[in-house]
Amino acid sequence: QSVLTQPPSVSGAPGQRVTISCTGSSSNIGAGYDVHWYQEVPGTAPKLLIYGNNNRPSGVPDRFSGSKSGTSASLAITGLQADDEADYYCQSYDNSLSGLYVFGTGTKVTVL
Amino acid sequence: QITLKESGPTLVKPTQTLTLTCTFSGFSLSTSGVAVGWIRQPPGKALEWLALFYWDDDKRYSPSLKSRLTITKDTSKNQVVLTMTNMDPVDTATYYCAHSRYSTKSYYFDYWGQGTLVTVSS
Repeated sequence: QSVLTQPPSVSGAPGQRVTISCTGSSSNIGAGYDVHWYQEVPGTAPKLLIYGNNNRPSGVPDRFSGSKSGTSASLAITGLQADDEADYYCQSYDNSLSGLYVFGTGTKVTVL
Repeated sequence: QITLKESGPTLVKPTQTLTLTCTFSGFSLSTSGVAVGWIRQPPGKALEWLALFYWDDDKRYSPSLKSRLTITKDTSKNQVVLTMTNMDPVDTATYYCAHSRYSTKSYYFDYWGQGTLVTVSS
């Protein structure tokens, strides 16, 4: 059972904006630890999408953005495209006994 | 160019010990703020962090698996090795190694290997 909770699924039509929440607690996101986001297309390795809450690695489109507030974080995808259909995971650090480097429960994004 | 590749058995029997090797190139594990981690993903389930080997030879393990895991480094071969004892069918998963970098107060995983599927079955 992950300490970072995400909605199981979100969906949107092409061109729309979708957001994925990542809810933590005072021992992880709320303690000030950075949140990072990964995109996983089925059958392929995860790909870093956002690091340090809101930074995009080179090559990641600016349609992807991250934010953090309190004990939660969010990933926003604007101008939704067909190839955005994938699983998305948040990741942070937890200073309790629950896991140290923890991943979220994962969210499946479906493009309608 | 940073690359990582996992290698090891695809099938292990229950109670056996799993040994996975991550062979990397394009970076030095002695560079400050760099680490190599292992993450796994059971079929249809979420990612789970297992272990991290830091640039200064420090190591960290998932608390729930700590008693079963050992992570080591072979500098001459640019390899990081993970061993997991007492394998069980619930350990069936794709195992990834990843290059990790320090961000404020935590590490993230910016380059991943292709992963290797390990099945635990008698």
